[in-house]
Amino acid sequence: AQTVTQSQPEMSVQEAETVTLSCTYDTSENNYYLFWYKQPPSRQMILVIRQEAYKQQNATENRFSVNFQKAAKSFSLKISDSQLGDTAMYFCACHKTSGSRLTFGEGTQLTVNP
Amino acid sequence: EPEVTQTPSHQVTQMGQEVILRCVPISNHLYFYWYRQILGQKVEFLVSFYNNEISEKSEIFDDQFSVERPDGSNFTLKIRSTKLEDSAMYFCASKSDRATGGELFFGEGSRLTVL
Repeated sequence: AQTVTQSQPEMSVQEAETVTLSCTYDTSENNYYLFWYKQPPSRQMILVIRQEAYKQQNATENRFSVNFQKAAKSFSLKISDSQLGDTAMYFCACHKTSGSRLTFGEGTQLTVNP
Repeated sequence: EPEVTQTPSHQVTQMGQEVILRCVPISNHLYFYWYRQILGQKVEFLVSFYNNEISEKSEIFDDQFSVERPDGSNFTLKIRSTKLEDSAMYFCASKSDRATGGELFFGEGSRLTVL
């Protein structure tokens, strides 16, 4: 079974600053995908960034980047130059190559303050 | 931009009643999912559906639950006899292909309250 843990229920950051959200996971699979999804208030979850486990290079999408430490089973999300629109619940998730389910963490509520 | 839409946004029902939650996935998507989130808990996988049959289901998805795609556009989740513990936010999602790393597109959710 896979588990995903987000130990920070809430975080806040000042606009234009950088923030890092933590995620650890456990899986017995050799290959899998890791995701960060964002859920703004009263809106649907949308994909922020994804990382394939066999790729060593950390994924980057504009202001969003990850620090993927496979041996430590850690997958943190860094948001640079935070914007007010980044205020949302952020979910870390893991998907093993076999099967079709995403396993989610508890979520981290991020608030960007003006 | 195409979206997954869910109805109703909120439903209140009495324990023991049947509930149907509806979803319209993105039109060219082939893989469909239901997840749920009980208040204060993690988002949990319920079921995946492809080619008119269930691909995978979780331990939660017992005989009280069923899914179908009756008309090629809607994807429904039926709870036959609701229990208090079925109160949760239910999310529908769809995906265009089978690739593990493919993006899941989620709806805004249907909040079910069982009294």
